[in-house]
Amino acid sequence: EAGVAQSPRYKIIEKRQSVAFWCNPISGHATLYWYQQILGQGPKLLIQFQNNGVVDDSQLPKDRFSAERLKGVDSTLKIQPAKLEDSAVYLCASSFVIGTKNEQFFGPGTRLTVL
Amino acid sequence: QQQVKQSPQSLIVQKGGISIINCAYENTAFDYFPWYQQFPGKGPALLIAIRPDVSEKKEGRFTISFNKSAKQFSLHIMDSQPGDSATYFCAASNSAGGFKTIFGAGTRLFVKA
Repeated sequence: EAGVAQSPRYKIIEKRQSVAFWCNPISGHATLYWYQQILGQGPKLLIQFQNNGVVDDSQLPKDRFSAERLKGVDSTLKIQPAKLEDSAVYLCASSFVIGTKNEQFFGPGTRLTVL
Repeated sequence: QQQVKQSPQSLIVQKGGISIINCAYENTAFDYFPWYQQFPGKGPALLIAIRPDVSEKKEGRFTISFNKSAKQFSLHIMDSQPGDSATYFCAASNSAGGFKTIFGAGTRLFVKA
């Protein structure tokens, strides 16, 4: 079974520029998550999709971040304009709930550096 | 109330020893508590998980102990090996809330050979 794919793996941009990340979840997984992981911290949920609908985006800075999941499969996360504090690893995860168990499968992440 | 507090921040254990990582939560609506393991340059991977209706779950060398009244849970790694050196995250989620997951800050474990 193929895992969660993310691209690019690394991105360096200047502040105020825009950037987009792409995620392809595991086939059949209805739930997709985007997390921000700042160095030395745990992943922080930015947005959660169930199929192509948003379940939770309460921690997404909506003035600069946007995300979409077209056709309930692939997803993109965009930052425009980027700030220095956006430097982090952006993790995508997908899951399929079985009964009361929810195992999230994470991609390798995109490491963003904002200069 | 949405926080999950994790300690210690870092841990050094001798090979063959027991590694213990602790977590505490506030929100009693949480009903699923997974532990994730993360190696450098990789995404986290599920290690073991527990629901609050049991007090302990064991899978191989990994055991979760859960204290519902104290709102605390811990991960024990028995016979720790150098290959266990990684960052460990506890987490909590609410199945009724679509399994929105809150992660602890992480514990960096180093097992000395």
